[in-house]
Amino acid sequence: AQSVTQLGSHVSVSEGALVLLRCNYSSSVPPYLFWYVQYPNQGLQLLLKYTSAATLVKGINGFEAEFKKSETSFHLTKPSAHMSDAAEYFCAVSVNTGFQKLVFGTGTRLLVSP
Amino acid sequence: GAVVSQHPSWVICKSGTSVKIECRSLDFQATTMFWYRQFPKQSLMLMATSNEGSKATYEQGVEKDKFLINHASLTLSTLTVTSAHPEDSSFYICSAQLAWNNEQFFGPGTRLTVL
Repeated sequence: AQSVTQLGSHVSVSEGALVLLRCNYSSSVPPYLFWYVQYPNQGLQLLLKYTSAATLVKGINGFEAEFKKSETSFHLTKPSAHMSDAAEYFCAVSVNTGFQKLVFGTGTRLLVSP
Repeated sequence: GAVVSQHPSWVICKSGTSVKIECRSLDFQATTMFWYRQFPKQSLMLMATSNEGSKATYEQGVEKDKFLINHASLTLSTLTVTSAHPEDSSFYICSAQLAWNNEQFFGPGTRLTVL
């Protein structure tokens, strides 16, 4: 069965510092992988997705993620954190083909300090 | 484009009453919608898959008689929590799936508090 593991329930960075949020996946078939962001009391917004095309995926708000099959990882990065990046981030893998069902990781809360 | 709304955004009800939550795709048709439940500081758990014109498919452990789902049209799915109890208090989020690429778009969520 497909699953994702997010290491670190909280990540704290200073404004302007590199953001690195970790996600490892488990899948018996080539996975489709996603990163979503959730602001307090809101739904989820798609940041980026990997669908077996380019392994380096660029998303919105300056975020990007690299699919590494050898490491079964799909870590999310941003070169320079902004205060507005403070939110909850979820990694997800789709079950079956396409986007049929999403299985979410436990989430990582990003804290950005001035 | 691809906007999904939920109504109400929050609701407080007494134990034993039923609550209906609506999920609408505002600018696209969605044959498939999903209902998730999120406990505080936890991840989203898929409750059920809602398909227009057919019965919903529930995930293991989700009581179908407790959480009634109706996907009456290509733009509307409803979740009714029947005989709500305090343990049903949670954040309920729906998503609607684009037919051409199956991408899911999420609603803003509904916070249910059962007293």
